[in-house]
Amino acid sequence: KNEVEQSPQNLTAQEGEFITINCSYSVGISALHWLQQHPGGGIVSLFMLSSGKKKHGRLIATINIQEKHSSLHITASHPRDSAVYICAVPMYSGGGADGLTFGKGTHLIIQP
Amino acid sequence: ETGVTQTPRHLVMGMTNKKSLKCEQHLGHNAMYWYKQSAKKPLELMFVYNFKEQTENNSVPSRFSPECPNSSHLFLHLHTLQPEDSALYLCASSQDRGELFFGEGSRLTVL
Repeated sequence: KNEVEQSPQNLTAQEGEFITINCSYSVGISALHWLQQHPGGGIVSLFMLSSGKKKHGRLIATINIQEKHSSLHITASHPRDSAVYICAVPMYSGGGADGLTFGKGTHLIIQP
Repeated sequence: ETGVTQTPRHLVMGMTNKKSLKCEQHLGHNAMYWYKQSAKKPLELMFVYNFKEQTENNSVPSRFSPECPNSSHLFLHLHTLQPEDSALYLCASSQDRGELFFGEGSRLTVL
């Protein structure tokens, strides 16, 4: 069964800073998910990636399948980026979104 | 707006009550999920439905009873809950095993 580790658990930064959140997992996977959860509770899917790099606005996600590691980067961070960022991977090799295991999340605060 | 709507957003119930959470997705997806998020714990998968058939029951107590009448609607029936069941309950949908789309969640407090 896959184990997911995220770091850091908490991160406070100043507006404009470049942010990096890391995720490591133990079992080979088909795709990794990055999710964002705002204080109200709702969760938004940011990325689903299986190789290389994806970019959406100021967000960039990378994955290294061989090293079982992914990073989420935020460029020119803004207070509205303050949220919990969650990494999720299939519980078992060959699994999909129908059986994900989730990291504990990184609580990000961007101060003006 | 993610295309997944959950009601109610907040629910307070006693341990002897019976209530239901409702989820509706407008995305044409064929899979729907219930997740539980307790304070300071990672998200936990509770139930998975593919084409209205339950394919996963992640060792959830029988006081939680899911119902999926069609591929757009999902219910979670609650009865004789315990205070430790207080949590945020999130519904999600996906097409096959692809990207997940979540609702805003139903925050449940059991007194």
